[in-house]
Amino acid sequence: DTEVTQTPKHLVMGMTNKKSLKCEQHMGHRAMYWYKQKAKKPPELMFVYSYEKLSINESVPSRFSPECPNSSLLNLHLHALQPEDSALYLCASSQGGGLTGELFFGEGSRLTVL
Amino acid sequence: GENVEQHPSTLSVQEGDSAVIKCTYSDSASNYFPWYKQELGKGPQLIIDIRSNVGEKKDQRIAVTLNKTAKHFSLHITETQPEDSAVYFCAASDYQAGTALIFGKGTTLSVSS
Repeated sequence: DTEVTQTPKHLVMGMTNKKSLKCEQHMGHRAMYWYKQKAKKPPELMFVYSYEKLSINESVPSRFSPECPNSSLLNLHLHALQPEDSALYLCASSQGGGLTGELFFGEGSRLTVL
Repeated sequence: GENVEQHPSTLSVQEGDSAVIKCTYSDSASNYFPWYKQELGKGPQLIIDIRSNVGEKKDQRIAVTLNKTAKHFSLHITETQPEDSAVYFCAASDYQAGTALIFGKGTTLSVSS
């Protein structure tokens, strides 16, 4: 099993809504990541969890709140988003906890904020 | 911090031709250089990577070369096929220090038959 699974695939929300994106991997990887990708742009790193602890927060606004309930799961809680937050949100994992080596990406959750 | 420049932004080739994508990096501490392929509607997928102790690496039709002195590395795809059409991203990081990958801006490759 070499997959990173993200749900939902598509999400439409208003600026006052609260929603969550979910990510799951069963490869035993110890680092998990959230990236944001706008159309025709590279992925931008948002958060990194290493051994279930938040190790990198790339100055992301507090309306994005990550959570790592266990080594296989990663959530991104969304609240009071802005239309410019509309993007593809990618989850990734890597084997070691030290941010090194191959990143395995999910297919992403496409978010539209109205 | 690291900065990765990638060229060209778009590349169109005929099936069977070769394609070359070039990247330059700024931080001499970077020592890990992966290439990711992103097909429409999918997440990026690693296709090949190289570390700074190696000058060239090949995997079937794909090869990557690294020039540490000039701080640039290139992706070479030979005998291109329509299924090679995708967006390709280069990236760089310091593998030993465990720094996060810095991606280039991407190259959209179109292979026409």
